[in-house]
Amino acid sequence: AQSVTQLGSHVSVSEGALVLLRCNYSSSVPPYLFWYVQYPNQGLQLLLKYTSAATLVKGINGFEAEFKKSETSFHLTKPSAHMSDAAEYFCAVSEGQAGTALIFGKGTTLSVSS
Amino acid sequence: DTEVTQTPKHLVMGMTNKKSLKCEQHMGHRAMYWYKQKAKKPPELMFVYSYEKLSINESVPSRFSPECPNSSLLNLHLHALQPEDSALYLCASSQETAGEEQYFGPGTRLTVT
Repeated sequence: AQSVTQLGSHVSVSEGALVLLRCNYSSSVPPYLFWYVQYPNQGLQLLLKYTSAATLVKGINGFEAEFKKSETSFHLTKPSAHMSDAAEYFCAVSEGQAGTALIFGKGTTLSVSS
Repeated sequence: DTEVTQTPKHLVMGMTNKKSLKCEQHMGHRAMYWYKQKAKKPPELMFVYSYEKLSINESVPSRFSPECPNSSLLNLHLHALQPEDSALYLCASSQETAGEEQYFGPGTRLTVT
């Protein structure tokens, strides 16, 4: 069965600092991987996805993630944090079949201080 | 248009009430999903509809009854809920293709009193 582990339930950075949110996956087949962001009292918004086309994936709002098969990782980064980046971030893996569930990590809360 | 809409935004209901949550998408997606999310937790899958047929039911209690009237609409009928059912209920949709991302609605915040 596939699974996702997000290391660090809470990450705090200063405005302008590098953002690094960690995600490791477990999968017996090439995975489909996603990062979603959730602002308070809102739904989930897709930041980016990996579907084997390229190992470095660029997303919205300046975020990007690199797929590393040898490390089974898909960490999310942003060079310079902005106050508006403060939110809950979820890494997710798809079981690969159409119409099946996303398997989410437990989430990482990102706090940004001025 | 990549929007999934959900109504109502907030719902307060008693344990003997019957209510329904509604979800709509116009992206031509043929897979639609209901998730339940408790505070500070990731979403948990409840149901999946594929081509308007229920394909996955994650052992959800019968007090939750899903319905897919057509390819654009998804309902969740609620009856005799318990206080522990209070949560954010999220609807999502996707193409019926492996690895396609799911688009989420804003959710309905449900409080059971």
